[in-house]
Amino acid sequence: GAGVSQSPSNKVTEKGKDVELRCDPISGHTALYWYRQSLGQGLEFLIYFQGNSAPDKSGLPSDRFSAERTGGSVSTLTIQRTQQEDSAVYLCASSLERQETQYFGPGTRLLVL
Amino acid sequence: AQSVTQLDSHVSVSEGTPVLLRCNYSSSYSPSLFWYVQHPNKGLQLLLKYTSAATLVKGINGFEAEFKKSETSFHLTKPSAHMSDAAEYFCVVSDKVNTGTYKYIFGTGTRLKVLA
Repeated sequence: GAGVSQSPSNKVTEKGKDVELRCDPISGHTALYWYRQSLGQGLEFLIYFQGNSAPDKSGLPSDRFSAERTGGSVSTLTIQRTQQEDSAVYLCASSLERQETQYFGPGTRLLVL
Repeated sequence: AQSVTQLDSHVSVSEGTPVLLRCNYSSSYSPSLFWYVQHPNKGLQLLLKYTSAATLVKGINGFEAEFKKSETSFHLTKPSAHMSDAAEYFCVVSDKVNTGTYKYIFGTGTRLKVLA
């Protein structure tokens, strides 16, 4: 299929470890977004990319969270020194340039023990 | 600032009866509005969108929504519920963050249960 893909689909880690979550957007989509879905918090915006740059990082909850995008395509969200409150589903979405409709991947379910 | 309120956290209907999921929005300008559906352990799938064209919007799987500016509402309806409609539904308003870029503001979701 040609949709947004994310890996891994599930990740279990120990508190204090670093994790990397990957997103492959739809080919040709220049905008890429990361969201977090957790119980009690709903869906929260984390960061968006336009090409390889991130004009809006306002949703990143702490400096343990970072993201990059290379080649205008794949993006990686990194969480350092994970905490139990980081447990959530991390969703990635992409859209065509200057288009409002976002298309979502299946998410990565992160559990921090 | 944009915001969106989904009035019901849970809705239960019997199979074959109508579905109504309510959404109200707040916006300083004419917004774009979306409904997404999320089945268990799946990502979000676009059901339909309103972007200032026709106020009655038809989507996939028999769903439709009507944009009512005077009521600041964008309720989602379906004439006859099917078991496969059981899922969580999110109303979304799109917030323009700068030229050509948009950020989604999500409602808190409505979990639809369909009874046999």
